[in-house]
Amino acid sequence: DVKVTQSSRYLVKRTGEKVFLECVQDMDHENMFWYRQDPGLGLRLIYFSYDVKMKEKGDIPEGYSVSREKKERFSLILESASTNQTSMYLCASSFNRGHSPLHFGNGTRLTVT
Amino acid sequence: SQQGEEDPQALSIQEGENATMNCSYKTSINNLQWYRQNSGRGLVHLILIRSNEREKHSGRLRVTLDTSKKSSSLLITASRAADTASYFCATDRADSWGKLQFGAGTQVVVTP
Repeated sequence: DVKVTQSSRYLVKRTGEKVFLECVQDMDHENMFWYRQDPGLGLRLIYFSYDVKMKEKGDIPEGYSVSREKKERFSLILESASTNQTSMYLCASSFNRGHSPLHFGNGTRLTVT
Repeated sequence: SQQGEEDPQALSIQEGENATMNCSYKTSINNLQWYRQNSGRGLVHLILIRSNEREKHSGRLRVTLDTSKKSSSLLITASRAADTASYFCATDRADSWGKLQFGAGTQVVVTP
């Protein structure tokens, strides 16, 4: 089975801090994604990557950046955390761009105070 | 903006009953997928239906797709308490291949 591991289950950070969320997948998947999940809004795509060192903006990229230096690892960076970035962050991977389901990690619940 | 919207937002049923939830979307798709999320966990893929398919089954799950109405339904037959979860539809839009957009989900509670 595909395993997608997010480094932290819970994080509490202060406003203005730089925050790193790490995600690793073990199935050599080409694609990796970062979503945030908020009540009533479902999942919204922040960034995605179809290859190493390649990234594309999703629907809500403002305030975030990403890094993919190795195929298995996709990092989400909050350059200067703000309270409106308090959310559940979900990492996912998929085999390729065609008709491939997403495999999700268990999420990181980030609280910015 | 959200591509898929589920209906109802919440559903409460008893064990043994069937649960039906619907998803509507706005633009042409390559496929539509359904996911389940247990409380506080990541999403788990349930079923994928391509735009040229009309119905698909997997165990107690039945998914239909009507591209003319831009809608899909998920039926869970003979519900169990373990089916208690949130269910999300996700669309793989024709103009953004591989980039899924999710709805807000249907929260299903199955009571013993």
